[in-house]
Amino acid sequence: DVKVTQSSRYLVKRTGEKVFLECVQDMDHENMFWYRQDPGLGLRLIYFSYDVKMKEKGDIPEGYSVSREKKERFSLILESASTNQTSMYLCASQWGVGNQPQHFGDGTRLSIL
Amino acid sequence: GEDVEQSLFLSVREGDSSVINCTYTDSSSTYLYWYKQEPGAGLQLLTYIFSNMDMKQDQRLTVLLNKKDKHLSLRIADTQTGDSAIYFCAEMFFSGGGADGLTFGKGTHLIIQP
Repeated sequence: DVKVTQSSRYLVKRTGEKVFLECVQDMDHENMFWYRQDPGLGLRLIYFSYDVKMKEKGDIPEGYSVSREKKERFSLILESASTNQTSMYLCASQWGVGNQPQHFGDGTRLSIL
Repeated sequence: GEDVEQSLFLSVREGDSSVINCTYTDSSSTYLYWYKQEPGAGLQLLTYIFSNMDMKQDQRLTVLLNKKDKHLSLRIADTQTGDSAIYFCAEMFFSGGGADGLTFGKGTHLIIQP
């Protein structure tokens, strides 16, 4: 079974802090994704990566950056956290060959005070 | 751009069948997915269907695809309390950047009445 692990289930940070959300997958998947989930808005894609050191902007990249230094790890970075970034963050990974489904982690509920 | 629409809530009695509907706009979608999210958890892949199929059945789950109308449905037979969750419909889009992304609907809350 595919396992996607997000380092924290719950996280509380202060406005202006630099925040790192970590995601690790154990299936040697090429593609990894970061989404945020908000009530009434569903899931929105922030960034994705299709290879080490490669990244692509999703629908809402503003205020975020990402890092993919190793194939198994995809980090989401909030450069200067703001209260409107309080949300549930979901990481997903996907095999890069053919039309394969995405597999999700359990999510990180981030609160910015 | 791509858009996926679902109704927000569905209430059914335990033991009845649940039918969750979804419409999508991208006619080039090759795969369509159903995910389930239980409270406080991530998304669990339930099933998916290739666009050249009309129907796919997996135990209590039946997926129907009407490609002409761009309509997808998920039927859950003999609905149980453990089926209470949010169900997301998603279509695949091709980013051109090497990864195939998903566009999600906003999710349908399935509420089970005793």
